[in-house]
Amino acid sequence: DSGVTQTPKHLITATGQRVTLRCSPRSGDLSVYWYQQSLDQGLQFLIQYYNGEERAKGNILERFSAQQFPDLHSELNLSSLELGDSALYFCASSPDSRLEQFFGPGTRLTVL
Amino acid sequence: AQRVTQPEKLLSVFKGAPVELKCNYSYSGSPELFWYVQYSRQRLQLLLRHISRESIKGFTADLNKGETSFHLKKPFAQEEDSAMYYCAPRGSGGGADGLTFGKGTHLIIQP
Repeated sequence: DSGVTQTPKHLITATGQRVTLRCSPRSGDLSVYWYQQSLDQGLQFLIQYYNGEERAKGNILERFSAQQFPDLHSELNLSSLELGDSALYFCASSPDSRLEQFFGPGTRLTVL
Repeated sequence: AQRVTQPEKLLSVFKGAPVELKCNYSYSGSPELFWYVQYSRQRLQLLLRHISRESIKGFTADLNKGETSFHLKKPFAQEEDSAMYYCAPRGSGGGADGLTFGKGTHLIIQP
C-alpha cells in the first residue's frame, strides 16, 4: 500500500501514561498533518510538519507533541493521558502544503 | 474565530431524490473550501474543492461568499452515496494549512 500508513491501529492504555503514534506519509509527500476525531469535538486539526519543520499548530494540547524525522515519517506523542484523550487520531500527508491531503486509516486510542 | 457549521447530523433521502448537504462557514479572508467523504470502513478522502469547480460522482458545490455557504448538491442520489460528509475550509495562507472540519453529516440513501 503506497498510501498513508499509521501504527498501531488500536491502542489501549491507562490515565497518566504516555503513548506514541506513528505515521508514514505517501512516498514523496513532504507535509504531514495530525488530526483528532472525538465524538464531542468532531475532527480537529492538531499540528502540521513540512519537510521536518513544524509548519502550523491547531488545537494541540501542551501535553501533546509531534515531530517529523529525516525520512519524513512522523510521530505524535501524547503524555499524561486523560480519559478525554480517547479518540481516533488521523494522519494526513500532501506533496505540498497547499495541495490535497491524503488521510491514513487512523489510530484508535482508548484511555481507561 | 474560524468556524464551520454543518447543521444536519443525519440526512436520509430516497434513491433518485435530490440531495443537499449544508455547510456554512465563518472565516476571515478568502478560505479555500473542500468537501471530504468517508465511506463505511474506508479512510477519509477528498470529494471536491471549490477552486477546481469540478463535479465528482455527480456532486457539485457552489461557494456563496455572500451567505458564506458551500452546500454540497446532487440531483439524483444513489445508494453508494451513503457516507459521512465533512465540509472543510482552510485558511488563505499565512496561517495554518490544516483543515477545519465540520462535525459532519451522515447521509443515508434509502432504496
